[in-house]
Amino acid sequence: DADVTQTPRNRITKTGKRIMLECSQTKGHDRMYWYRQDPGLGLRLIYYSFDVKDINKGEISDGYSVSRQAQAKFSLSLESAIPNQTALYFCATSSGGDWGTDTQYFGPGTRLTVL
Amino acid sequence: AQTVTQSQPEMSVQEAETVTLSCTYDTSESNYYLFWYKQPPSRQMILVIRQEAYKQQNATENRFSVNFQKAAKSFSLKISDSQLGDTAMYFCASRGSNYKLTFGKGTLLTVNP
Repeated sequence: DADVTQTPRNRITKTGKRIMLECSQTKGHDRMYWYRQDPGLGLRLIYYSFDVKDINKGEISDGYSVSRQAQAKFSLSLESAIPNQTALYFCATSSGGDWGTDTQYFGPGTRLTVL
Repeated sequence: AQTVTQSQPEMSVQEAETVTLSCTYDTSESNYYLFWYKQPPSRQMILVIRQEAYKQQNATENRFSVNFQKAAKSFSLKISDSQLGDTAMYFCASRGSNYKLTFGKGTLLTVNP
């Protein structure tokens, strides 16, 4: 079984709809992250959480919100989707702790299309 | 703040040959980590190799190695004996004291038979 799972894997929605992307991990990591990937732009950080009570904005948080329901679960919401939020979304986790060994592991991604 | 630049949007190489992907970065931190991630057509992000800035020895993982030039802020990835399965998008990334990754825009590598 995959260590980091994302649901759904693909989603098509309409402008103005609320949508939630979910991420679960079995790695026992404290830290979780949400990125979006756009062609030609690489991955950009939306939100990150270093533990259940710690949530921080990344470089492109406008239009998004998150919820850390448990150590293993981190959800990303688009309250009112717009077409320029069409992108590939990745969840990632890392162990935290020793800065030297902290490595981010990625989920399989969610392809979101907003019409 | 950290920035990462990959100046080669696309590259191609013949199977069994060697290819080098370029990456430059900028950071104000004294210690940091650098990474190369691979994204094949399956879109999964896979860690290829990592390098700690204060280690002068270049990291190596099987056919993958890096050329880390700290003074020049350069971190290139060399793939030896290229295989068809190496066809992917490759992302260079840096991580500073805040644990956050900063990615470059990626280089699409195609390995031709």
